[in-house]
Amino acid sequence: DTEVTQTPKHLVMGMTNKKSLKCEQHMGHRAMYWYKQKAKKPPELMFVYSYEKLSINESVPSRFSPECPNSSLLNLHLHALQPEDSALYLCASSQPGLKQAFFGQGTRLTVV
Amino acid sequence: GIQVEQSPPDLILQEGANSTLRCNFSDSVNNLQWFHQNPWGQLINLFYIPSGTKQNGRLSATTVATERYSLLYISSSQTTDSGVYFCAVRIRYNFNKFYFGSGTKLNVKP
Repeated sequence: DTEVTQTPKHLVMGMTNKKSLKCEQHMGHRAMYWYKQKAKKPPELMFVYSYEKLSINESVPSRFSPECPNSSLLNLHLHALQPEDSALYLCASSQPGLKQAFFGQGTRLTVV
Repeated sequence: GIQVEQSPPDLILQEGANSTLRCNFSDSVNNLQWFHQNPWGQLINLFYIPSGTKQNGRLSATTVATERYSLLYISSSQTTDSGVYFCAVRIRYNFNKFYFGSGTKLNVKP
């Protein structure tokens, strides 16, 4: 099974809402990643968790809060987002040291 | 940081044609992957190819790490090959970070 599952697939939220994105993998990978992708641009790294500890935060605003409750799950908690945060949010996993990475199908987020 | 450049940025093909996509990178890399992003946004693994040549059906890839480039060959293209192709690299001293190229947008017409 080489699947990374993200939920929900689509999300519309208001600027005062709190929502969470979820990512799950069962490949035994110990590194998980959140990427943000705007239209016609490549994915941009937001966060990296290695062995359930946050190892990279690419200076992401605090309105994005990641969480890795166990080695299979990765969450991204969203609060007080801005319309410019509308994007495709992609989760990925790999063994640490970024061997082959596998991506989920993404959550398409719209902030209104 | 490392620069990853892909060419061409856009490519239009007639179904059945062949094409070569290129990825140049500015530093030594430990890891290189090619992805296809379909119209629904999913990044699909094509090749994990830090060096050498691999083939998978109509697709093949070659990475010449010493010369800092990789090529993706698509033969007998099909409309389902349309989408954006990204290469992404990892460098030796930043293990957990993938640097993506800007992508090649491919449109295969029937």
